[in-house]
Amino acid sequence: ILNVEQSPQSLHVQEGDSTNFTCSFPSSNFYALHWYRWETAKSPEALFVMTLNGDEKKKGRISATLNTKEGYSYLYIKGSQPEDSATYLCALDNYGQNFVFGPGTRLSVLP
Amino acid sequence: DTGVSQNPRHKITKRGQNVTFRCDPISEHNRLYWYRQTLGQGPEFLTYFQNEAQLEKSRLLSDRFSAERPKGSFSTLEIQRTEQGDSAMYLCASSLGLTGVEETQYFGPGTRLLVL
Repeated sequence: ILNVEQSPQSLHVQEGDSTNFTCSFPSSNFYALHWYRWETAKSPEALFVMTLNGDEKKKGRISATLNTKEGYSYLYIKGSQPEDSATYLCALDNYGQNFVFGPGTRLSVLP
Repeated sequence: DTGVSQNPRHKITKRGQNVTFRCDPISEHNRLYWYRQTLGQGPEFLTYFQNEAQLEKSRLLSDRFSAERPKGSFSTLEIQRTEQGDSAMYLCASSLGLTGVEETQYFGPGTRLLVL
C-alpha cells in the first residue's frame, strides 16, 4: 500500500515570509509526483508534475524540487501573500491509474 | 467554462436514503476519476473510467456505491442506503487518458455530502 506523508499539517506565516513544506513517499518504483493547491470552495488546481530526480519546477513565487532516491519533494513559496492561503496537496502518480494523495499542508498567510 | 463541473455542490440527506452525484469532465478527456475526501485527509481514490469502461475500483467502493459513465462523457456516482460515514467531499477529475505519459488530472469543485 502506497503511503504519502506531508509535513507540517498546518502552517501560519506572516505576509512576506517565505515558507516550505515537505512531501514524503516510497522511493521504489517512482513514476511521477503532482502538486496541487486547493482553496476553500474551489477546485484543486494543478501546480506541478515532477518526474525526474533532481527536477526543479517554478511558477511565479512557487517552486518545487524532487528527490526520488530518498523519496521527498519540497514546495517553496517566496514572499507569501494572503492569496496563497490554501491547502497544498502532493499526490503520487500510480502509473496513471490513480493518484495517492498526502493529507495536505494547510497554509494560512496573515496580512 | 470548460473545466470539470459537478452537481450538486452540496447535498444533505437522511441516513438510509439514496443519493446520486453527477460529474461533467472536460470534453476531450477520455479518463474520469472519482475520489472521496474526509476531514483531515487527502482525497482517496474510488474508481476510474477510460471512456465508458470502468477499469479500476478501490476497496473503499463498497457494494452500496455504483458509478457509471454510459456514453463515455458525464459520469454519475450513486450511494444507496447512505450511512453517516459516507459524509465526505466527493471529487471528480478528468484527464486525456494517454498511456505511458504522466498526466495531470483536472478536478471539479466537488460535491459535499452530509448524511444526518
